[in-house]
Amino acid sequence: GAGVSQSPSNKVTEKGKDVELRCDPISGHTALYWYRQSLGQGLEFLIYFQGNSAPDKSGLPSDRFSAERTGGSVSTLTIQRTQQEDSAVYLCASSADAGLGRNEQFFGPGTRLTVL
Amino acid sequence: AQSVTQLDSQVPVFEEAPVELRCNYSSSVSVYLFWYVQYPNQGLQLLLKYLSGSTLVKGINGFEAEFNKSQTSFHLRKPSVHISDTAEYFCAVSDRGSGTYKYIFGTGTRLKVLA
Repeated sequence: GAGVSQSPSNKVTEKGKDVELRCDPISGHTALYWYRQSLGQGLEFLIYFQGNSAPDKSGLPSDRFSAERTGGSVSTLTIQRTQQEDSAVYLCASSADAGLGRNEQFFGPGTRLTVL
Repeated sequence: AQSVTQLDSQVPVFEEAPVELRCNYSSSVSVYLFWYVQYPNQGLQLLLKYLSGSTLVKGINGFEAEFNKSQTSFHLRKPSVHISDTAEYFCAVSDRGSGTYKYIFGTGTRLKVLA
């Protein structure tokens, strides 16, 4: 079956513009995660969704960042008024169910965001 | 709050030599532990995980890791590396029973296998 897909693969934008990044998880996976990967910083947790529960937004770095998940499937990460420090690779992952943190996460290829 | 430390940002090693990549986590509460690998220009994939039971965990491609609760460590080892093991390796932890589904990742260790 298809894995996790993300679009676009690359996004170049100007400072101050808004961007939307999309994630299509593996069909049937109830948990979905967003991470930011910067050089030398590892994977920084941003947000996760689990079923119909309220998302854990504790990793979002500022109120310019938001995410939604429609119909328990596709998710969109939105960054408003982008800044140069937002440049990074944004990774999405899904898992069969959150299982209180014991399950394997399947990662997408990422979206490389460059803010000029 | 839980944190994960991978002290070595880069590890060069010659082909067929053994390697150990270090991972330490901060909290002594019960945890689940993971190692993920990211090959060049590819996505992250699970290498191995510790949930419970035997402290020695075997994963794919000949890698293994040992959970040491007293030292809060989960070091990754391979007795003989291959050129194809060149990749970035990430250690991750989640707290058991904390009610959160959050995973905390380390900053990664770049393994470079030399011919």
